[in-house]
Amino acid sequence: GNSVTQMEGPVTLSEEAFLTINCTYTATGYPSLFWYVQYPGEGLQLLLKATKADDKGSNKGFEATYRKETTSFHLEKGSVQVSDSAVYFCALRGSFQGGSEKLVFGKGTKLTVNP
Amino acid sequence: EPEVTQTPSHQVTQMGQEVILRCVPISNHLYFYWYRQILGQKVEFLVSFYNNEISEKSEIFDDQFSVERPDGSNFTLKIRSTKLEDSAMYFCAGGTDEMGKGYTFGSGTRLTVV
Repeated sequence: GNSVTQMEGPVTLSEEAFLTINCTYTATGYPSLFWYVQYPGEGLQLLLKATKADDKGSNKGFEATYRKETTSFHLEKGSVQVSDSAVYFCALRGSFQGGSEKLVFGKGTKLTVNP
Repeated sequence: EPEVTQTPSHQVTQMGQEVILRCVPISNHLYFYWYRQILGQKVEFLVSFYNNEISEKSEIFDDQFSVERPDGSNFTLKIRSTKLEDSAMYFCAGGTDEMGKGYTFGSGTRLTVV
C-alpha cells in the first residue's frame, strides 16, 4: 500500500537558518503530494502541494519539488523564523479510488526555531 | 475562507461511555473523513464516507465506531464504549473530486477518556 517516510526529528534551528525536512514515498500510480503544518494547539493546515512529477509547490517561503525518480518531496525553506516552529507532516493522496482516496501521512517532524 | 467546524473542542468522558464527535463540513465537499492523532504521534486514517456510506475504513475503525451524516450537514463519529486508548485528537476533514487538492481539516476534538 501507499506509505510516506519522513525524517522524525525533532529539528532545532536558529532563526534565519536553512531548513530541509526529508520525505520519501511509496505509491503506485500517480499520487498527489502534500505538506501539512500543525502549529501548537491547532489543527492541520495545508502548507503546499504538488500533483505531478517535477511540480514545485510553494507557500510562505517553503518549497517542495515532486521528484518521481527519487520518490521524494523534501520540504525546504531558506531562512526560518521563530513563527515557523510547528510539526510538519508529509502526506500523499493516491490516484486509484477517485475522490474517496485517503490521505496517508508521515509521522511528522517537529521543528523548533530559536531566536 | 470556508472552514470545517468541529464540536466540542475538548471532551472528557469516563471509560465505557458513549461519545459523539460532531463536524460541519464545507458545503461543496463530497467526501468526508475522520482521522485521529494520539498525542505526539502519527495522524491515522479512520474512515472515509461518500454518498451516505463508508468508502473505506482502517483496522482501527472496529465495531465500537460508527459514522453518519443524518441531515446532510452534520457528520458525526460515534464511539460506543470508550476505552482509555481512544484518548486522542480527532480530526474531521472534507474534500472534493479534484484529486490534486488536499483536504480541509477541522481544528479537532481532543477526547480524553478517564
